[in-house]
Amino acid sequence: EVQLVESGGGLVQPGRSLRLSCAASGFTFGNYAMHWVRQAPGKGLEWVSGINWNSGSRAYANSVKGRFTISRDSAKKSLYLEANSLRVEDTALYYCVKGIDSGIVGHFDCWGQGTLVSVSS
Amino acid sequence: QTVLTQAPSVSAAPGQKVTISCSGGSSNIGRNYVSWYQQLPGTAPQLLIYENSNRPSGVPDRFSGSRSGTSATLGITGLQTGDEADYYCATWDSSLSAAVFGGGTKLTVL
Repeated sequence: EVQLVESGGGLVQPGRSLRLSCAASGFTFGNYAMHWVRQAPGKGLEWVSGINWNSGSRAYANSVKGRFTISRDSAKKSLYLEANSLRVEDTALYYCVKGIDSGIVGHFDCWGQGTLVSVSS
Repeated sequence: QTVLTQAPSVSAAPGQKVTISCSGGSSNIGRNYVSWYQQLPGTAPQLLIYENSNRPSGVPDRFSGSRSGTSATLGITGLQTGDEADYYCATWDSSLSAAVFGGGTKLTVL
């Protein structure tokens, strides 16, 4: 059974940083693209970033480009999101999501339960 | 401002059929596969349809998807109260080099 468990969320002041982590199990992590998708309270889904199977391709939403960095460690079966210069509008539940295949341009077939990031002074 | 446009809400009676539309453009739906996600209240989204019309194993055949030009449609037949959820379309936008979601459609089964 595929499991994705996010951690690292919390309350942070504007301008500060957080590192989100996602521990994966139940599938061959190194074969699949991975993504972060967020959902602000009471709002819809917003794709944040994706990384292909071998970290050779990464992509970001315009809203986070230059501030967030996605990375992965296949040995640790983990996905990360380094979020810098956080803004109030970054407040959301952040989901770790498994891609349906190895490329970034694909679908999202398994989702974690999310980790909540709250940006407030 | 979302790239993909969905109606905010739709409703129908149990046992009836409903369609949910997703409108985009030539750089997204017109060029790339569309997927659909169901988000039941208080839970994480789940994949319903991928590559425009394919269902993952475990998804009932009451759910179907199609794409025509720059629009996509999710169909649900034999509506059940358990189908009440938010439904999102998604695809890749080749101009943005980013994945994009529709704003979501809330389905109410009256």
